[in-house]
Amino acid sequence: AQKVTQAQTEISVVEKEDVTLDCVYETRDTTYYLFWYKQPPSGELVFLIRRNSFDEQNEISGRYSWNFQKSTSSFNFTITASQVVDSAVYFCALSDYGGATNKLIFGTGTLLAVQP
Amino acid sequence: GAGVSQSPSNKVTEKGKDVELRCDPISGHTALYWYRQSLGQGLEFLIYFQGNSAPDKSGLPSDRFSAERTGGSVSTLTIQRTQQEDSAVYLCASSLGLAGTDTQYFGPGTRLTVL
Repeated sequence: AQKVTQAQTEISVVEKEDVTLDCVYETRDTTYYLFWYKQPPSGELVFLIRRNSFDEQNEISGRYSWNFQKSTSSFNFTITASQVVDSAVYFCALSDYGGATNKLIFGTGTLLAVQP
Repeated sequence: GAGVSQSPSNKVTEKGKDVELRCDPISGHTALYWYRQSLGQGLEFLIYFQGNSAPDKSGLPSDRFSAERTGGSVSTLTIQRTQQEDSAVYLCASSLGLAGTDTQYFGPGTRLTVL
């Protein structure tokens, strides 16, 4: 069965600090997709990134970077020089490619609080 | 372009009443998903539509829950005889419908409170 674990329930940092959000997944599929979503206080889930299981290259987008390691089944997310606007709940998710759908299986989320 | 829209944004109802939640997907998206977010259960999948058919209803928690989609566009999630444990935020997402490569884009959700 597929599973996503975000062991950090809550992280608090001071503005300009770097912060890494951990995500560990389990799947028997050889082809799958991993996602990160941001949920700010307004409540809407905002898509950040999609990564397929064949592409282990790290990705950087501005202050955001992602480290995908199949060997450890991890897909970690780093925010460099955090800002107050980064305060949100961040969800890691796995797509169920092996079934009839690509429904998302979410982790429990990490609440990031960036203090000014 | 317009994103996924959901209505109402908030719904308060009494236990035992029926409720209907509506989702308008992004234009051109053939796949539509319903999820539920609650404190105790996190984000959980409810049902998936491809066009007007629902090949995966595995997440619907009971037969009080049903959903339909018409014209390959708008979807309605109906909860009959609501219970307090149905209180949650119901999220709708849509995607292009390309299996395995899709990115799902979410609406703002409907917060359901059952008194």
